[in-house]
Amino acid sequence: QAQLVESGGGVVQPGRSLRLSCAASAFSFSNYGMHWVRQAPGKGLEWVAVISYDGSDKYYADSVKGRFTISRDNSKNTLYLQLNSLRPEDTAVYYCAKGFFDDSTSYGKHFDCWGQGTLVTVSS
Amino acid sequence: AIQMTQSPSSLSASVGDRVTITCRASQGIRNNLDWFQQKPGKAPKLLIYAASSLQSGVPSRFSGSGSGTDFTLTISSLQPEDFASYYCLQDYNYPWTFGQGTKVEIK
Repeated sequence: QAQLVESGGGVVQPGRSLRLSCAASAFSFSNYGMHWVRQAPGKGLEWVAVISYDGSDKYYADSVKGRFTISRDNSKNTLYLQLNSLRPEDTAVYYCAKGFFDDSTSYGKHFDCWGQGTLVTVSS
Repeated sequence: AIQMTQSPSSLSASVGDRVTITCRASQGIRNNLDWFQQKPGKAPKLLIYAASSLQSGVPSRFSGSGSGTDFTLTISSLQPEDFASYYCLQDYNYPWTFGQGTKVEIK
């Protein structure tokens, strides 16, 4: 059964940086587009970013564009999210998610596997 | 970005009730809509993909319909384990966007 395990969350001051990791197992990681989704405490879900199966294509939510960078290392079966210039409103549980379908316009559609999430708290 | 308006934001229902949740897209998204269930402290779970396809392992009391701008998630007979929050997600174009969520509570 496919599994995703996030790590790297913690408490960080505004303006600082953090890198999240998502370790994948039990599926062919290099074949799938991968996503990050976040959820602020007590709030709804927010899509953050996607990376194509080979890392050549990336898209971001407007709220994080220019500050966050998604990347992957297929040799390590690991997805990353680099969070720079962090703001208090970035406080959230960050989930990585795998989709099972690509089409001509989107990668990793239909999230059939999620990690357990890692909490990022931005506070002075 | 496409806006997804989900309603209601919350509802109270009894076991056995039929429950309907709707999502409206700010522009046409064909059938590019998924539905998720989330329980407190847990990751979301895929229920319906491509507007009406039931994800493997999901009970048949869940169904989805719609195309274009208006979509519906229906639970035909609410069960105790269905009390949770539900979210729609448009995966038509980037940035993908979720609805605000619907919390289904016990009456």
